[in-house]
Amino acid sequence: SAVISQKPSRDICQRGTSLTIQCQVDSQVTMMFWYRQQPGQSLTLIATANQGSEATYESGFVIDKFPISRPNLTFSTLTVSNMSPEDSSIYLCSVQEGRHGYTFGSGTRLTVV
Amino acid sequence: EDQVTQSPEALRLQEGESSSLNCSYTVSGLRGLFWYRQDPGKGPEFLFTLYSAGEEKEKERLKATLTKKESFLHITAPKPEDSATYLCAVQAGGQNFVFGPGTRLSVLP
Repeated sequence: SAVISQKPSRDICQRGTSLTIQCQVDSQVTMMFWYRQQPGQSLTLIATANQGSEATYESGFVIDKFPISRPNLTFSTLTVSNMSPEDSSIYLCSVQEGRHGYTFGSGTRLTVV
Repeated sequence: EDQVTQSPEALRLQEGESSSLNCSYTVSGLRGLFWYRQDPGKGPEFLFTLYSAGEEKEKERLKATLTKKESFLHITAPKPEDSATYLCAVQAGGQNFVFGPGTRLSVLP
């Protein structure tokens, strides 16, 4: 299965600032997925990132708040913009692996103070 | 609307005390049900995929079963290293998955 490297693993940020999370996959993939996991809650899909086109955002998530880049078939970034304490979550990058469902990166634990 | 619930929210077991975790779902056209294990500070790790009612999968002390409305993850003689959050997810007619909130399992030595 794919190996996904995600960084940073954690960060503490001031409100009003932005953080960019990087995700590197060890193989070429068509789609990459960004999830959010708020404390005590299930995973929620933020957006799907396809190489060469704009990301597709789920209801409740907008590009101005969570801009995504997908410059090639192995890399993607998610930016959390103008952060507030409500953005404190774990952010996960993932790829689909057929019968295995998703393979996830190790996640970025974000705390906004 | 597709929904997934898991129970209990948290479970504490003594080492060797077998038990089951439940995942209940309502989806239109189940394509697959997935179980993941998530350790603190890590992303979810794939355990099992089940596709149809009556199907069972086993891996070491874990056994997953599926009916038309729910799935169970049975843990036989658990060890402290089985402590983790166990997530259930379903894939319905579309591409996206719906995840349950998870069950936090603690196995005490």
